[in-house]
Amino acid sequence: DADVTQTPRNRITKTGKRIMLECSQTKGHDRMYWYRQDPGLGLRLIYYSFDVKDINKGEISDGYSVSRQAQAKFSLSLESAIPNQTALYFCATATSPQETQYFGPGTRLLVL
Amino acid sequence: GENVEQHPSTLSVQEGDSAVIKCTYSDSASNYFPWYKQELGKRPQLIIDIRSNVGEKKDQRIAVTLNKTAKHFSLHITETQPEDSAVYFCAAENSGYSTLTFGKGTMLLVSP
Repeated sequence: DADVTQTPRNRITKTGKRIMLECSQTKGHDRMYWYRQDPGLGLRLIYYSFDVKDINKGEISDGYSVSRQAQAKFSLSLESAIPNQTALYFCATATSPQETQYFGPGTRLLVL
Repeated sequence: GENVEQHPSTLSVQEGDSAVIKCTYSDSASNYFPWYKQELGKRPQLIIDIRSNVGEKKDQRIAVTLNKTAKHFSLHITETQPEDSAVYFCAAENSGYSTLTFGKGTMLLVSP
């Protein structure tokens, strides 16, 4: 679904480095989410935002921060990356809690 | 918060057989239960969802059943095909937060 894009698609970084993952959408959705996927652990919610002025912590927010720069843009930052943050990160958007979440293509992050 | 358990973690079937994936949830106030399919290397995509005002919903070879009393719901795929091979995630709405909690996923392998 080209309406939700993520950059970069792949990233290798070192322990202690700051890194930002970006998500953009052209679907006009107010709700945006950041998830982390690890093998055998499913999709876990990191942060979510229901509009530009609304930011909420999810299940596993420690070590992460976010910024909602505009309705269409939601960025995830790792202030000081550590190896156990190695994972596949997905951004998603939706119009309401009981409607489809549209996922971006994912960012594969490796922290050495 | 919501807790979602999904079983089995892996499922192998022969082409043409049926496949059933089961999930349980903890929040009795949850009213929305989607299922997502993630093909290898791709993003999760919604395949079917059900709301608590119905007990069953069908879409061609896919059906979902919901038992609110027992707090469980299931995905049924009939006449499986190799292209059904993927990881399937169930999810339940976190009624107090308007977010989704996902199960850990089921890897379905359909052999020709």
